[in-house]
Order: sequence, then C-alpha cells, then structure tokens
Amino acid sequence: QQQVKQSPQSLIVQKGGISIINCAYENTAFDYFPWYQQFPGKGPALLIAIRPDVSEKKEGRFTISFNKSAKQFSLHIMDSQPGDSATYFCAASISGSARQLTFGSGTQLTVLP
Amino acid sequence: DAGVIQSPRHEVTEMGQEVTLRCKPISGHNSLFWYRQTMMRGLELLIYFNNNVPIDDSGMPEDRFSAKMPNASFSTLKIQPSEPRDSAVYFCASSWRTGPGIYGYTFGSGTRLTVV
Repeated sequence: QQQVKQSPQSLIVQKGGISIINCAYENTAFDYFPWYQQFPGKGPALLIAIRPDVSEKKEGRFTISFNKSAKQFSLHIMDSQPGDSATYFCAASISGSARQLTFGSGTQLTVLP
Repeated sequence: DAGVIQSPRHEVTEMGQEVTLRCKPISGHNSLFWYRQTMMRGLELLIYFNNNVPIDDSGMPEDRFSAKMPNASFSTLKIQPSEPRDSAVYFCASSWRTGPGIYGYTFGSGTRLTVV
C-alpha cells in the first residue's frame, strides 16, 4: 500500500503556539520522509526531511518526530508565526533511482496574529 | 538558478481543445516528474522520467494524456482532447541526488488549467 494518511485537514493556531501535523503510512519499504510547505500560487517547497534511522530531526522552529514501530511521523512548528500560514504536505518514498514521492492529502495551517 | 520553469502559468481552454503544458527542469537534475493537484485528490503523480526516459506512467489518467521529454532540458504534458474534469494545477518537479540515498526535489510554480 503506497498511501500516506495526513491529519488534520486544517489547523488554526494562535501566534506563538505549537502546530502539530501527523502522518501515518503502511508501506514499511518507505525510507525517506520529507515535509513540504506550499504557499498559494506556488509549488510545494521542501521544508525538512527525515530518514527512519533517527527518531527526531530539528531545523530551527521545525521538528520532525518519527516513530518507526507505529509507522507514524509528525511535524511540529514551535512558536508558530502568521508567516507560517500555508499548506503542509507530508510525503514518503522508497529507495530508487528517482525517489518517487507519495504525498499526504495536505494540512492547511492558519496562524492567527 | 532560475528553478523549474513552467509555462504557461494559466491556461483557459474550451472542452475538446488540445492543451500543451511545458516544463524546463533545473540543469543537472536527471529526474523529472509531472503532478496534478486538485482539492479532491490532492497531489497525484502522473508520470516521471529518469534521464529523459519515461519510467512510470501509471498515474496518467487516460489515453488523452501524454508526456514527452525529448531532451534533458524540456518536457511537455499534452491533453487531447481536454475535458472540464481536467481542470487542476499541474506541477512539474525535478530532482537530483544530494547524498547517499537522499534526493532533493524542486517544484515549479505550476500551470493552472481551466477547461470550460
């Protein structure tokens, strides 16, 4: 099964709060888990990514938590800012010559000022 | 680096007409992907090329859709004849190997297609 399930569909957070987006997968062959951020009128852009040999990766205010046994991973945005308002997609891929990505359905995040 | 360049940005066409979307990947990227984004179905992979060769076109919805990559710097996605249900944003992306087992993806800004 190639599907990646993402929740919630939408999220509203106050400025300074923590935004949490969750994803789950079925295919244990997935070995690369990126998160993409998309602003209106733009293409998705890589935000942060993790491989299953680590349980957490942090870049600035963005952290990925990875639970291999539960086949789940999540994005945490600390100190959320209005400029973080965008659609976030989790994705997963299997080792291969091109790393074909399977995307989650997306989460529309709104950070209120 | 100009990024992945797609054209046109917007296309409005009548049902039954042929539509051609264009993509110029980043130089040096050896894989190219075409995605379709809709509210209902999210981001769907249509087809991808590796070194200009189509590898997986299982996501192409129907025979009305075709894609080509005649060289490393250009790809097209054609819909003939177009139908209203083809209305979506079509993204092109290219990727490269940044390290052992790690690939970077860059998306274009997309083409918003409206078929009336």
